[in-house]
Amino acid sequence: EVQLVESGGGLVKPGGSLRLSCAASGFTFSRHSINWVRQAPGKGLEWVSSISSSSSYKYYADSVKGRFTISRDNAKNSLYLQMNSLRAEDTAVYYCARDSAVGASPFFDSWGQGTPVSVSS
Amino acid sequence: SYEVTQTPSVSVSPGQTANITCSGDKMGDEYVSWYQQKPGQSPVLVIYQDNKRSSGIPERFSGSNSGNTATLTISGTQAMDEADYYCQAWDSSTVVFGGGTKLTVL
Repeated sequence: EVQLVESGGGLVKPGGSLRLSCAASGFTFSRHSINWVRQAPGKGLEWVSSISSSSSYKYYADSVKGRFTISRDNAKNSLYLQMNSLRAEDTAVYYCARDSAVGASPFFDSWGQGTPVSVSS
Repeated sequence: SYEVTQTPSVSVSPGQTANITCSGDKMGDEYVSWYQQKPGQSPVLVIYQDNKRSSGIPERFSGSNSGNTATLTISGTQAMDEADYYCQAWDSSTVVFGGGTKLTVL
């Protein structure tokens, strides 16, 4: 069974930093691109970042570019999101989502349960 | 950046057909996926590559994509289908979600 388990969320002050983790199991982690998607309270889904299977390609939404860094450790079946210079508008539940690896156009066939991040003074 | 628009809400009676649309410039040229999200739960993939049902998704869910509009159709809508639905497209290296449609089954 495919499992994605996020951790690392919490309350942080504006300007602060936080590192999210996503532990994967039940599939060959190194064969899939993985993404971070967030959802602010009462709002829709917002794609944040993606990383290719071998970490060769990393992409970011404009809203987080220069502040967030995505990385992965295939030996540990883990995905990370380093979030710096956090703002109130970064408050959201952060999901990791697996790219199916079917075809060139990405879609997400497995999602974690999410970890909440709250940015407030 | 590529923009994708969804109608905020759709209402349907049980047993009727619900159509949820997703609009974007030349949307038919790219694959579209659809996700269902119920309150307090993570999103679930419903449709991928325009019209393929994800594993375990009932046959009453179908998808199409042409021109500037992609459509998720739920035939014989059931109360359990009440949820938020999001379309998702891809523009070069950027993933784009629609704003979501709240489906109410009256």
